[in-house]
Amino acid sequence: GAVVSQHPSWVICKSGTSVKIECRSLDFQATTMFWYRQFPKQSLMLMATSNEGSKATYEQGVEKDKFLINHASLTLSTLTVTSAHPEDSSFYICSSGDPNTGELFFGEGSRLTVL
Amino acid sequence: AQTVTQSQPEMSVQEAETVTLSCTYDTSESDYYLFWYKQPPSRQMILVIRQEAYKQQNATENRFSVNFQKAAKSFSLKISDSQLGDAAMYFCAYRTDYGGATNKLIFGTGTLLAVQP
Repeated sequence: GAVVSQHPSWVICKSGTSVKIECRSLDFQATTMFWYRQFPKQSLMLMATSNEGSKATYEQGVEKDKFLINHASLTLSTLTVTSAHPEDSSFYICSSGDPNTGELFFGEGSRLTVL
Repeated sequence: AQTVTQSQPEMSVQEAETVTLSCTYDTSESDYYLFWYKQPPSRQMILVIRQEAYKQQNATENRFSVNFQKAAKSFSLKISDSQLGDAAMYFCAYRTDYGGATNKLIFGTGTLLAVQP
């Protein structure tokens, strides 16, 4: 079964609304989770590193006020796309590493469509 | 900063044949990990193979093997006896060794592999 679970797998929303995507680690405690964005036929671009109990670290060019990340527990990180616009439509993927084994796991991804 | 380059946007192979996907990287570090991930149409990222930089022996996983040339900073993936299910986007990725699983992956741009029946 999935080690890292992401929800929802797809979401459609109206422009101007906010959307929350959840990423859960099921088999280990994740102090760090990563959020990626992927456009069609392109690579995964790291948006931010989510740190449990502290502020996320955003990559250059990523608007932290638009992409809110919360990592309130060792098993859950959330990405909230605020005031979504059509250009925010994309595939968002989270990942996390098992600190005991060093193995990295990916969520199933969330496809966001903003109308 | 580390970079990962995949120079082949698309590749095609006949079923049962062998194909090699190229990957080069740039780093000043001596200890790191290299990965090949497969992303099928479902978009789920699947780990194909992993190589620790300190290991001279090339990693193998069934039909998948790598040619790791540390001095040349090259990390190619060979798929033997290609199957229709191998059709996917393949990403080469780099991760620094320091900090273990809390370190981010740096991805290449990907190679779209088509398998012809």
